[in-house]
Amino acid sequence: DTAVSQTPKYLVTQMGNDKSIKCEQNLGHDTMYWYKQDSKKFLKIMFSYNNKELIINETVPNRFSPKSPDKAHLNLHINSLELGDSAVYFCASSQVGDRGGYGYTFGSGTRLTVV
Amino acid sequence: SQQGEEDPQALSIQEGENATMNCSYKTSINNLQWYRQNSGRGLVHLILIRSNEREKHSGRLRVTLDTSKKSSSLLITASRAADTASYFCATDAIGGAQKLVFGQGTRLTINP
Repeated sequence: DTAVSQTPKYLVTQMGNDKSIKCEQNLGHDTMYWYKQDSKKFLKIMFSYNNKELIINETVPNRFSPKSPDKAHLNLHINSLELGDSAVYFCASSQVGDRGGYGYTFGSGTRLTVV
Repeated sequence: SQQGEEDPQALSIQEGENATMNCSYKTSINNLQWYRQNSGRGLVHLILIRSNEREKHSGRLRVTLDTSKKSSSLLITASRAADTASYFCATDAIGGAQKLVFGQGTRLTINP
């Protein structure tokens, strides 16, 4: 199946721990994104990568570090987890074109709970 | 700052009725997109309308765009229970890196 897949789906961890979320897309898209959805359902972009190059870093704390080993993968590593990091994290991909627009394909999300 | 704002925040209607959701945004855009999110799931792209388009249809969905008012509407006709979900508008603003900025969504409940 062509898709954006992210793992794990659920992540429960203690404050201060370090964790990673992985994302892979097999759609051949050249741009990938991380979005954070808070408890009020508000979605905010965190990062975007175009063909392994960081394009957008939306004033995210340095504890969050994305890594893109190739254009099909975009991982998110979070250091020293805090309670406020609890949220659902979505990976997405799109084909960047002429800004006429392409829809994004989203993964199913990773629900991170910091206790 | 948040770009899109949906109205209403929640909408509950009977199956078979039409549902209309509105979205307002603040800056000039390349395109506006609507997404659906079922509970506990990822977002699914529904429809995209470019800044030079005024109306677009896809099945039971009709989207309008008024760039002079910086607003869009999503109409779902003949609603079904399976349409129960949250609906988000998202805008790709002119200038800068390509990214979608989402509104806070409309929670739509279709009652059987």
